[in-house]
Amino acid sequence: EVQLVETGGGLIQPGGSLRLSCAASGFTVSSNSMSWVRQAPGKGLEWVSVIYTGGATYYADSVKGRFTISRDNSKNTLYLRMNSLSAEDTAVYFCARVLVWSHYFDSWGQGTLVTVSS
Amino acid sequence: QSALTQPASVSGSPGQSITISCTGTSSDVGGYSYVSWYQQHPGKAPKLMIYDVSNRPSGVSTRFSGSKSVNTASLTISGLQAEDEADYYCSSYTSSSTWVFGGGTKLTVL
Repeated sequence: EVQLVETGGGLIQPGGSLRLSCAASGFTVSSNSMSWVRQAPGKGLEWVSVIYTGGATYYADSVKGRFTISRDNSKNTLYLRMNSLSAEDTAVYFCARVLVWSHYFDSWGQGTLVTVSS
Repeated sequence: QSALTQPASVSGSPGQSITISCTGTSSDVGGYSYVSWYQQHPGKAPKLMIYDVSNRPSGVSTRFSGSKSVNTASLTISGLQAEDEADYYCSSYTSSSTWVFGGGTKLTVL
């Protein structure tokens, strides 16, 4: 069974940094593309970042230069390093799988809440 | 990376059909057959309902169908049921190798 479990969220002060983790089971992270999607409280979904099977990474303009997506193949885990956080980054962060050769998110984690506030 | 355009809300009575539109550009919706739709109930993770414009994943009801014309994709739900009440989001792959979501549509079953 495919499972994605996000951890690492919490309360962080503006300007601070945080690293989110997404532990995968039931499949191999490096054999698929993986993405982060966020949802601000009461708002819609916003695509954040992707890491393709070959290692190429892409980011939404809103986080480019501040966020870094990566993966640890030995731990079968996806990460999102977030720097220079602001209130606008407050959201539930979901990790999602993109099957190889596909262009949609077929499996999602339950999300982890990041709150940026002083 | 402008969000795709969806109506904020739609409603229908049980048994009726509704359609949710999703308008983008030639760089996303119009450029690829890579539109997907997600259902999200409050406090839950999104669930894939339609992929590649009109394909249903295993386990998704045949009451859900998708289509596309030029830069606008549509999700149709027939035979509305109370459990269909949720938020629905469209998404498209883009020419920048990224994704974009719609603003979301709240479906109310009257």
